[in-house]
Amino acid sequence: AQSVTQLGSHVSVSEGALVLLRCNYSSSVPPYLFWYVQYPNQGLQLLLKYTTGATLVKGINGFEAEFKKSETSFHLTKPSAHMSDAAEYFCAVNNFGNEKLTFGTGTRLTIIP
Amino acid sequence: EPEVTQTPSHQVTQMGQEVILRCVPISNHLYFYWYRQILGQKVEFLVSFYNNEISEKSEIFDDQFSVERPDGSNFTLKIRSTKLEDSAMYFCASSGSGRGTDTQYFGPGTRLTVL
Repeated sequence: AQSVTQLGSHVSVSEGALVLLRCNYSSSVPPYLFWYVQYPNQGLQLLLKYTTGATLVKGINGFEAEFKKSETSFHLTKPSAHMSDAAEYFCAVNNFGNEKLTFGTGTRLTIIP
Repeated sequence: EPEVTQTPSHQVTQMGQEVILRCVPISNHLYFYWYRQILGQKVEFLVSFYNNEISEKSEIFDDQFSVERPDGSNFTLKIRSTKLEDSAMYFCASSGSGRGTDTQYFGPGTRLTVL
């Protein structure tokens, strides 16, 4: 069975500050890892994903995440927060041959002007 | 850019009534999914569908639920007799393949409220 834990249901950062959203996973086989973002009244949009290869993955809007197998983590970062980053962020896990995504509970990011 | 669309955006129904939630997946995609999110809880997988058959379903997807691709563009989720606990946001998604590496593209969701 696979699972995802997102620490912090709400995170607030000042505009221009570092964004760090935490995600830890549990999977019995090598995982595929995803970050999705949900803006108000919109669907889930893929930010980035890790499948194989380079463990540092760059996504849209300046976000990146690093797969750390030893820590079973896939934390999402952005060096400088922008007001437009305010949204809900979901970490999800999948693996080979598995169609369904398993999601974390989400982290609501608030940007303080 | 192609996108998944869902209708209606909000559905209010009485307990025991049937509801049909509609989705139009991205046109060249072959795999279709329904997920739901009860307020304050995780996004949960309900069912996946490929080649006009259910390929995987969760424990949540009991006999009250059914899915159908009635034509070449729509993908529907039917709940036969709604319960209060069915109140949730329902997301449709599609992907080009069923591989775990493939991106699933999500629609904006239908908020179902059961009174």
